[in-house]
Amino acid sequence: AQRVTQPEKLLSVFKGAPVELKCNYSYSGSPELFWYVQYSRQRLQLLLRHISRESIKGFTADLNKGETSFHLKKPFAQEEDSAMYYCALRGQGAQKLVFGQGTRLTINP
Amino acid sequence: NAGVTQTPKFRILKIGQSMTLQCTQDMNHNYMYWYRQDPGMGLKLIYYSVGAGITDKGEVPNGYNVSRSTTEDFPLRLELAAPSQTSVYFCASSQRQGSSGNTIYFGEGSWLTVV
Repeated sequence: AQRVTQPEKLLSVFKGAPVELKCNYSYSGSPELFWYVQYSRQRLQLLLRHISRESIKGFTADLNKGETSFHLKKPFAQEEDSAMYYCALRGQGAQKLVFGQGTRLTINP
Repeated sequence: NAGVTQTPKFRILKIGQSMTLQCTQDMNHNYMYWYRQDPGMGLKLIYYSVGAGITDKGEVPNGYNVSRSTTEDFPLRLELAAPSQTSVYFCASSQRQGSSGNTIYFGEGSWLTVV
């Protein structure tokens, strides 16, 4: 079974502090992992995916197959990072995404 | 491109009423999806479609129906609305696997309240 777990529903950090949003998954094969972000009153949009190994808006995420994790990190949080963040998994050969419960990130000034 | 467009954006329904959430995409995507987003529960897949004329159930299909008569449109129908269907509904689409990277594009969401 495919499962994505985001253990923190709420995360609050101060501006300029490092931030890490946790994501763990369970899947027997080789998954594709994604982070989606939803800013207030906006649609979900792709932030980054593990196959691209890119940094978007200062965020990075590394797939750790040993720990089955795909944590999202940013060294210096900014107020505009406040949003809902969803980790998602796509199984091999599949199209649909399985989402985690989401983490609401609040950056305090 | 407008991307994925959903209507209506907001709707209040009485218990037992029926309604259809419309979704259309202009990206010629083969795959389309309906998700519902409940507070603290993340997004759950209701139904999805891999192409015109083909639909399949997701995690939470009960109480909903879909059809896919064209590539562009993927309406979601609630036949007998129940309070448990109060949620935010997102339509999404993606291309067939290939160089596009399979990015899933979401609509803006439809806020539905059943009272």
